[in-house]
Amino acid sequence: GQQLNQSPQSMFIQEGEDVSMNCTSSSIFNTWLWYKQDPGEGPVLLIALYKAGELTSNGRLTAQFGITRKDSFLNISASIPSDVGIYFCAGGDSGGGADGLTFGKGTHLIIQP
Amino acid sequence: KAGVTQTPRYLIKTRGQQVTLSCSPISGHRSVSWYQQTPGQGLQFLFEYFSETQRNKGNFPGRFSGRQFSNSRSEMNVSTLELGDSALYLCASSPLSSSEQFFGPGTRLTVL
Repeated sequence: GQQLNQSPQSMFIQEGEDVSMNCTSSSIFNTWLWYKQDPGEGPVLLIALYKAGELTSNGRLTAQFGITRKDSFLNISASIPSDVGIYFCAGGDSGGGADGLTFGKGTHLIIQP
Repeated sequence: KAGVTQTPRYLIKTRGQQVTLSCSPISGHRSVSWYQQTPGQGLQFLFEYFSETQRNKGNFPGRFSGRQFSNSRSEMNVSTLELGDSALYLCASSPLSSSEQFFGPGTRLTVL
């Protein structure tokens, strides 16, 4: 089956620093999604990407759909304490319906005071 | 718009029992997907329903089943519970023509 490799597994950063994380796959995806999950809650959709090469921003977050369709990147600029959480990438096969998403294992973001 | 709601939020069962979880999608969303989340395996796709029909299914045993009603609400059932079924079960709904899935808060199932 399809697998996503998400890295890094965890990040320890200082408030104000920029953050970068990525996902790679052995298979092509037609959609890349980035989610954030807080403890005890479900994942919240941050950014959705539908075209290879697409670069999309949502406030301090920027994500890119890789040209090869096998990878995606998420950057967070000027991190703040509420950015703490687990970030997941997810790849989807179809833009015409909600097929099952394949998720990465997550990047655990920890902000040191 | 109200988000995806799931009930109950927490559940404790014993091995061999069965359990039914409920999900109400965002109004207007006709697709509902279910996922199992565990620390070891992460988020894994269980199945997806659209217009009361199962459209996709993940790699889970037949003990895991689901259904969708005409109002798009969905239920999932796990029979003959095992210790390894302890997990956070997440429901996500999606608009008709989008892969964007919006998740509920999940049901935390503990099997003793």
